[in-house]
Amino acid sequence: KQEVTQIPAALSVPEGENLVLNCSFTDSAIYNLQWFRQDPGKGLTSLLLIQSSQREQTSGRLNASLDKSSGRSTLYIAASQPGDSATYLCAVRPGSGGYQKVTFGTGTKLQVIP
Amino acid sequence: EAQVTQNPRYLITVTGKKLTVTCSQNMNHEYMSWYRQDPGLGLRQIYYSMNVEVTDKGDVPEGYKVSRKEKRNFPLILESPSPNQTSLYFCASSPAPGQGMFFGEGSRLTVL
Repeated sequence: KQEVTQIPAALSVPEGENLVLNCSFTDSAIYNLQWFRQDPGKGLTSLLLIQSSQREQTSGRLNASLDKSSGRSTLYIAASQPGDSATYLCAVRPGSGGYQKVTFGTGTKLQVIP
Repeated sequence: EAQVTQNPRYLITVTGKKLTVTCSQNMNHEYMSWYRQDPGLGLRQIYYSMNVEVTDKGDVPEGYKVSRKEKRNFPLILESPSPNQTSLYFCASSPAPGQGMFFGEGSRLTVL
């Protein structure tokens, strides 16, 4: 059974700092991996989607990488801003059988201090 | 505007009183699913649907029912709610496995 871990559970950084969020998964046979942000009391907003054949995806100040062989993905946030404060979740879609059985990590709660 | 709409957003009910949480998407997506989010446990999948009339269990289906009679709608039914179903519920849709998921705003349910 796929297990997805996000460490640390919480992170506090000063504004302007570059930071890396981690997502580890136990079964490397994945279809894709998606990063989300969740604001308090809100739904999940998609940030980046990486297919299993890709190594990285970029959107603005965000860059997500994928290393299937080691079971890791990282989300890099450049020049962090207070508006980046949120919980960041990764979700792994399996590559064989049951494409819909997505597994989520428990998230990293990020606070960017002005 | 492309969106996934859930109702109600907030609900307090009592044990045993049947309730339905509706989910509707306007993007003509094939795939829809329901999740519950609990502190320390993250999001866990309850049920998913790959198309009209095709549904299957996720990781935590006990106590829930779903139906997919129309492509756009995927209601979650709690026939006899219990306090352990107090949670934040999310509906999601996606056009295909290779494409990303879109989430609703969530429905916070409290069962007394």
